[in-house]
This record gives sequence, C-alpha cells and structure tokens, in this order.
Amino acid sequence: GAVVSQHPSRVICKSGTSVKIECRSLDFQATTMFWYRQFPKKSLMLMATSNEGSKATYEQGVEKDKFLINHASLTLSTLTVTSAHPEDSSFYICSASLQTYEQYFGPGTRLTVT
Amino acid sequence: GENVEQHPSTLSVQEGDSAVIKCTYSDSASNYFPWYKQELGKGPQLIIDIRSNVGEKKDQRIAVTLNKTAKHFSLHITETQPEDSAVYFCAASYGNAGNMLTFGGGTRLMVKP
Repeated sequence: GAVVSQHPSRVICKSGTSVKIECRSLDFQATTMFWYRQFPKKSLMLMATSNEGSKATYEQGVEKDKFLINHASLTLSTLTVTSAHPEDSSFYICSASLQTYEQYFGPGTRLTVT
Repeated sequence: GENVEQHPSTLSVQEGDSAVIKCTYSDSASNYFPWYKQELGKGPQLIIDIRSNVGEKKDQRIAVTLNKTAKHFSLHITETQPEDSAVYFCAASYGNAGNMLTFGGGTRLMVKP
C-alpha cells in the first residue's frame, strides 16, 4: 500500500519551454501533496504544499508563477515548470499523505533544461 | 522554523557491523520523526518512524530511539548488509497541522562486503 507514482521519470526540454510533472497516489486518497526539489548529493527542499481543491502554499523563495501547482483531485497533483532555464535542472520529488503524518514519496523526476 | 542536523554525513561499515546515525532538532513542538532510505536516482522510502509519545521502536534490524528532552533521535541498523548501502535522511515534523517535514542533510552509508 501507499504507492506514489510520478510521470515522467526523466525529461529533457529546451530553455524557455514549459514542462509538466504528474504525481499520483495509486492506492489511497491523499489529502495533502508536497513537492520537493533535490540537488545532487543534497537533502530535500520543500517547494510547496498543496491540498485538493485549494491553492498551493509555497515556501519562501519559491516563485509561484514559475512553479505552477495544481491539485485537481485526491489522487493527482501536477507541477508545471514554466519558461524553464538551465538552473531549473534538478530532481523533483512529490510526496502524498493521508490525514496522518506519514509522507510517501514518488520515484522522482529528473529534469534537464538545455 | 524547524532545523534538523544529521551526523555523520558519511559512514562506512563492514558487513555485519552496526550503523548508527544521529539527528538533532530545534522545535520542541515536533512530534513525528521519520527516517527515509534513498537509493541512487530514486525517491525516498519510509523505513521507520517514531512519535513523541514513544522512546524506542524496532522493526527487525532497524530501530529508532527518541530523546525528547535532549531533542535528538537516532537510527540503529544491526547486522548491516551491502543492500543497506544508500543515503539515509531523518526528518522532523512541523507546521500547524504537524504534517510538514524538515529533513536532515543525509548520511551516505556504505556497507563493505
């Protein structure tokens, strides 16, 4: 149980284009989903928290117009990186939680912007 | 906000030995402390967690201890195996709902056969 998927697992895009990453909870309904960013050999940095049907809450320093988050249902959240630049290249990971504390992570999406 | 420190950053042990990773946190209101294992190129996997009303929890070769007074918690892995090699992250909860996590810097564990 508690399986979270992400799609795509890897994506390469050109500078200036937008990329959408999907996060799905496969066997449970997630009241809250989280988006993290991870640089090589570094820890996870929380970007934003989203609850189904409401606007995402962004962490300080994260541009909400650049990283668009939509939480359309209890099993799906999407992160869109708009007008991507090489510095946006990173490993993006989502997690999902029930009303309890546990967060279950997806396998991550490696974004490379050329 | 919450701040979590994790030590050591790298740990090398011989197969069969024990490994201990320690974390400290700053917010006394934190009450949930999970540990995650992350293999290269993959997402973190929850391996064990502990809540503040418990001092110790064990699951086969893995155990976690919590000292709320000192605000530190530790992960203990016994009889290590090469497949235990990975990066381990501790985390502590924070936020009004207590469901947000601050992560430690990670420990790269290498188990030598």
